[in-house]
Amino acid sequence: AQSVTQLDSQVPVFEEAPVELRCNYSSSVSVYLFWYVQYPNQGLQLLLKYLSGSTLVKGINGFEAEFNKSQTSFHLRKPSVHISDTAEYFCAALTKETSGSRLTFGEGTQLTVNP
Amino acid sequence: DSGVTQTPKHLITATGQRVTLRCSPRSGDLSVYWYQQSLDQGLQFLIQYYNGEERAKGNILERFSAQQFPDLHSELNLSSLELGDSALYFCASSLTSGGVHNEQFFGPGTRLTVL
Repeated sequence: AQSVTQLDSQVPVFEEAPVELRCNYSSSVSVYLFWYVQYPNQGLQLLLKYLSGSTLVKGINGFEAEFNKSQTSFHLRKPSVHISDTAEYFCAALTKETSGSRLTFGEGTQLTVNP
Repeated sequence: DSGVTQTPKHLITATGQRVTLRCSPRSGDLSVYWYQQSLDQGLQFLIQYYNGEERAKGNILERFSAQQFPDLHSELNLSSLELGDSALYFCASSLTSGGVHNEQFFGPGTRLTVL
């Protein structure tokens, strides 16, 4: 079964600093990976996804992630964060089943951007 | 706004009771997914329906059941509620069932509190 591990439960940073949120996955089958963001009292919004091809994936709001097969990682990065980036971030892997699919989520990383 | 609607937004009930959570997918989406987000278990997949048929099942309790109706809206029924069922329940929808180019769009969630 697939599993996703987010290595940091909380990441505090100052505004305009770079940030990296770490995610590791385990899978013996094809890997499809996603990063979602959850703002307070809201649902999940897709930031970016890796399905195949280029290992550097660019998403919305200036975020990007790099798929690293040898390290089984899919870390999320942003070169300069804003206060508005304060939210919880979830890494997820898609599992395809016989006739359906599911997302397996990591535990989440709370990013807090301080002025 | 993802286009996925969930009602009610909040639900407070007592142990032993039964509740029904409702989800309307985005226009044109045929798949509906249910996820549970709790403090101790994180975000967990419950069940998927595609065009009225169950397609994938997670660790959904026997006290929980779901269905998707001909108009494609879905209901999640939770019975014999326990304190531990208190959680945020998300619905997501997607166009198809198992394809990887198949982004799941999440609703705002229903917060269930069992007293």
